[in-house]
Amino acid sequence: AQSVTQPDARVTVSEGASLQLRCKYSYSGTPYLFWYVQYPRQGLQLLLKYYSGDPVVQGVNGFEAEFSKSNSSFHLRKASVHWSDSAVYFCVLSPQVVGQLTFGRGTRLQVYA
Amino acid sequence: DMKVTQMPRYLIKRMGENVLLECGQDMSHETMYWYRQDPGLGLQLIYISYDVDSNSEGDIPKGYRVSRKKREHFSLILDSAKTNQTSVYFCASSLGAEQFFGPGTRLTVL
Repeated sequence: AQSVTQPDARVTVSEGASLQLRCKYSYSGTPYLFWYVQYPRQGLQLLLKYYSGDPVVQGVNGFEAEFSKSNSSFHLRKASVHWSDSAVYFCVLSPQVVGQLTFGRGTRLQVYA
Repeated sequence: DMKVTQMPRYLIKRMGENVLLECGQDMSHETMYWYRQDPGLGLQLIYISYDVDSNSEGDIPKGYRVSRKKREHFSLILDSAKTNQTSVYFCASSLGAEQFFGPGTRLTVL
């Protein structure tokens, strides 16, 4: 069975600080991995995705994530956060065929001035 | 502009009433999904549709059914809604593994 764990339910950082949101996955093969962001009262929007190749993938708005097969991780990073980054971030796993996504429970990011 | 739409955005129903949630997409994606989202949880999959009249149960199908008669439309039906079906419902469509989400429908069952 596959699973995704986001160990931090809430993260609070000051504006301009660096950010890392953690994600660990469990899957027997090499999955497709995604980070989605959800702003209040909105649907999920794709930040970035990893399919294969370079383990560091770039996304929108300065976000990047690093895939590590040895650590079964896909952590999200940003060098300098802005107050508008406040949202809920979901790490998501997909098997390498069309079908069911597995979602982490999400990390709520609060950026204060 | 690729888009997934959901109607209505907000809905209040009484227990025992029937509920119809509608989803549309303009990307000709074959595969569509219905999820529900409850506080503190990620999205839980209710149903997948692989194409017209080709639907499969997800993790939590009990109390729900779906209909897909056209590729661009996917409906979620609650026959005799229950209070524990109060939730936010999201529709999605996919191109390969990447899913595109609608804005959600907030359903309250009183």
